[in-house]
Amino acid sequence: NAGVMQNPRHLVRRRGQEARLRCSPMKGHSHVYWYRQLPEEGLKFMVYLQKENIIDESGMPKERFSAEFPKEGPSILRIQQVVRGDSAAYFCASSRDRVGETQYFGPGTRLLVL
Amino acid sequence: AQKVTQAQTEISVVEKEDVTLDCVYETRDTTYYLFWYKQPPSGELVFLIRRNSFDEQNEISGRYSWNFQKSTSSFNFTITASQVVDSAVYFCALSEAGGRDDKIIFGKGTRLHILP
Repeated sequence: NAGVMQNPRHLVRRRGQEARLRCSPMKGHSHVYWYRQLPEEGLKFMVYLQKENIIDESGMPKERFSAEFPKEGPSILRIQQVVRGDSAAYFCASSRDRVGETQYFGPGTRLLVL
Repeated sequence: AQKVTQAQTEISVVEKEDVTLDCVYETRDTTYYLFWYKQPPSGELVFLIRRNSFDEQNEISGRYSWNFQKSTSSFNFTITASQVVDSAVYFCALSEAGGRDDKIIFGKGTRLHILP
């Protein structure tokens, strides 16, 4: 009964490169949320997805960031042309249903942009 | 607007002392959910508790207890007889049921140091 899986756990990129972060939700969960945690800060909501649909991307920066949750396979958070300010921990959470269901978090991906 | 305030940025107590972490929230919804998560030095987020707005009963789980007071919009967390392993950052969070999603709004966290 695996929990939420995220990979890689650590990712180093140079400015201008692309970062791809993967999240496999818990078994039976069809709702995925991405959050970003900047150093010494709380987590901030980025995007909420269900299978093949983006429901709410109000927390996503307008440029360079995109997310998907295909019918098959993990959810992907993609950051193009990374900048130093993108360095953060990115957490994925999943829930079975909405309306107050507990979101279970993955271990996070620590992105470092050099 | 939704907001979660954890006024205590950092707390240090000696092992075996009791410690209370404060959390105050703001929301316009009548139905909402409150959470506490723990983030140990290893960095993962550990779910501790979820409470819905209609259930004001206090809860106790071992050395942990939570005091939910709607009248003051607070959801405080107490650790009794603290242990070094309790050292972590603790986040209080809020989710509103009336919106189109259940995004969680986090406080900035309280860093708790338990000194041996």
